Amino acid sequence: DAKTTQPPSMDCAEGRAANLPCNHSTISGNEYVYWYRQIHSQGPQYIIHGLKNNETNEMASLIITEDRKSSTLILPHATLRDTAVYYCIALTSNYQLIWGAGTKLIIKP
Amino acid sequence: GAGVSQSPSNKVTEKGKDVELRCDPISGHTALYWYRQRLGQGLEFLIYFQGNSAPDKSGLPSDRFSAERTGESVSTLTIQRTQQEDSAVYLCASSLARGRSEKLFFGSGTQLSVL
Repeated sequence: DAKTTQPPSMDCAEGRAANLPCNHSTISGNEYVYWYRQIHSQGPQYIIHGLKNNETNEMASLIITEDRKSSTLILPHATLRDTAVYYCIALTSNYQLIWGAGTKLIIKP
Repeated sequence: GAGVSQSPSNKVTEKGKDVELRCDPISGHTALYWYRQRLGQGLEFLIYFQGNSAPDKSGLPSDRFSAERTGESVSTLTIQRTQQEDSAVYLCASSLARGRSEKLFFGSGTQLSVL
């Protein structure tokens, strides 16, 4: 089963794009990459997921490299409310989400 | 309901006591998950229910932990003879089904403190 690696923390200026990297070099061909975020004292919130193609929704964009060894979550115009821990997760072959420690993203005014 | 509801939001108990945590999933969601989250860490999978199928208990850390779910409704997570290392946030999530495009909806969790 795939393991994901993320930087422990990142800063981003308010109004700028926040680009959060994730390495998943051992991911298999049928394992989806999911992103969730967790704002302090709340349960995690789904953001986006993808398999091979880039994806975009109202919250974010997900860019997956062609070899699928890494991906980047993009928050196009970060606001202070985007301060949270962001988790990059691979969905395993038995449909389990294996969670790491995530990236703590701090949006600065 | 509109979202996943968990109760209580906070629970303080003494070492050795039993605790029961409750989760109300989103109506119509057949899949229900319990996770544990220790301070500053990611989520640890505990148990998964899918409809009337046998639950996946592979994440339960010891036989002090058990969970029940009746049909596609409420679930309870029971921890017997609590230990200090059980202190954590216990999160419940539900989804329409388990699959490759599953999207989990989480409750706000129960903060358990074992003194």
